[in-house]
Amino acid sequence: ETGVTQSPTHLIKTRGQQVTLRCSSQSGHNTVSWYQQALGQGPQFIFQYYREEENGRGNFPPRFSGLQFPNYSSELNVNALELDDSALYLCASSPGWTGANVLTFGAGSRLTVL
Amino acid sequence: QQQVKQSPQSLIVQKGGISIINCAYENTAFDYFPWYQQFPGKGPALLIAIRPDVSEKKEGRFTISFNKSAKQFSLHIMDSQPGDSATYFCAASMRGANNLFFGTGTRLTVIP
Repeated sequence: ETGVTQSPTHLIKTRGQQVTLRCSSQSGHNTVSWYQQALGQGPQFIFQYYREEENGRGNFPPRFSGLQFPNYSSELNVNALELDDSALYLCASSPGWTGANVLTFGAGSRLTVL
Repeated sequence: QQQVKQSPQSLIVQKGGISIINCAYENTAFDYFPWYQQFPGKGPALLIAIRPDVSEKKEGRFTISFNKSAKQFSLHIMDSQPGDSATYFCAASMRGANNLFFGTGTRLTVIP
């Protein structure tokens, strides 16, 4: 059973650029959530995808968008990057619609915006 | 506004000692309270969780104590080991909700 895998592990962008982060969910999991973890802080919910549709969103602006594919993998896209977007972006998958329970997190993609 | 408040920010414990991390919340709609453990370079991993219908849950050396009236819950790590050195996050969610609200984390260091 494979866990949640994320790519890339690290990346550096400049302010104003766009970034795409990718996530493969754990085998058997069809729900994917994305969280942002700023340095020294707890993860903050960005949004969740279930059956290829956005299924709830946290307090993040529209320049944060996502996709889920038929194989349940997901992408997080951030446009017009700002310095404050520098963070660890975590993807978590869960089996079926189990809400916030039973989340399996990946190791994250660390984004640095210069 | 921080939905879940966690303390202390950092904690140093001698090997074999008891580590205690505390969390408090205001939203009485929360009904699921997990603790996550995160090692450097890794994502958070679910450690133990509790629902408000019980006051305590124990799994091995890890125990959650829950005080519904005070809206507080805590993680106790008995016989702390150097391998327990990690950052611990408390969290909470509402019934039917699809997201967790995390605390700010506690960096635990267990010294030999």
